[in-house]
Amino acid sequence: DTGVSQNPRHKITKRGQNVTFRCDPISEHNRLYWYRQTLGQGPEFLTYFQNEAQLEKSRLLSDRFSAERPKGSFSTLEIQRTEQGDSAMYLCASSLIGGSDTEAFFGQGTRLTVV
Amino acid sequence: GDSVTQMEGPVTLSEEAFLTINCTYTATGYPSLFWYVQYPGEGLQLLLKATKADDKGSNKGFEATYRKETTSFHLEKGSVQVSDSAVYFCALSVGRGGSYIPTFGRGTSLIVHP
Repeated sequence: DTGVSQNPRHKITKRGQNVTFRCDPISEHNRLYWYRQTLGQGPEFLTYFQNEAQLEKSRLLSDRFSAERPKGSFSTLEIQRTEQGDSAMYLCASSLIGGSDTEAFFGQGTRLTVV
Repeated sequence: GDSVTQMEGPVTLSEEAFLTINCTYTATGYPSLFWYVQYPGEGLQLLLKATKADDKGSNKGFEATYRKETTSFHLEKGSVQVSDSAVYFCALSVGRGGSYIPTFGRGTSLIVHP
């Protein structure tokens, strides 16, 4: 296992279309995070899973955004009816269960462009 | 809510110069503090961390000391190299009802010239 894997790396879509991104975390990691990063900004937290349970989703940007982690392994992030403002880098991170000192391991991200 | 404030970049230095990137935080409770680095075309990776007041994190010649009295975690390196050119993110994590969600600053770009 070489790290967190995200697919696709790049996605161009027309406004109004739905898109889905996949994240495969490090295999023994229980926690999985989704972040959004826009140009010149740091990662902005979206949602978080511990195993298959979604423990925090109030920071998803709108009801067009949803995430799943059906068997506690890989996760998907879906954006419905995309808008130009959704263009950004979407990052996935995973970690072991632990305290506040636990390191998060990031994937390389999926860059979304909405035209 | 929890937040991290970093100095704006880019920071442009000559090789072997001294580096400081300022970071201050706001959090209730007792956060752990981190510096992550993002090299061009790569994902964020942990550079160093500190988990309690007065702890010093260090790695690859970089250091940062957890200063509770000034709520700061400034990143320093005595002699930068061209290969240190990257974006540096300060972050914190603190428990909220059993959840630990890393919160990031906006990042500071470092450019090192030969």
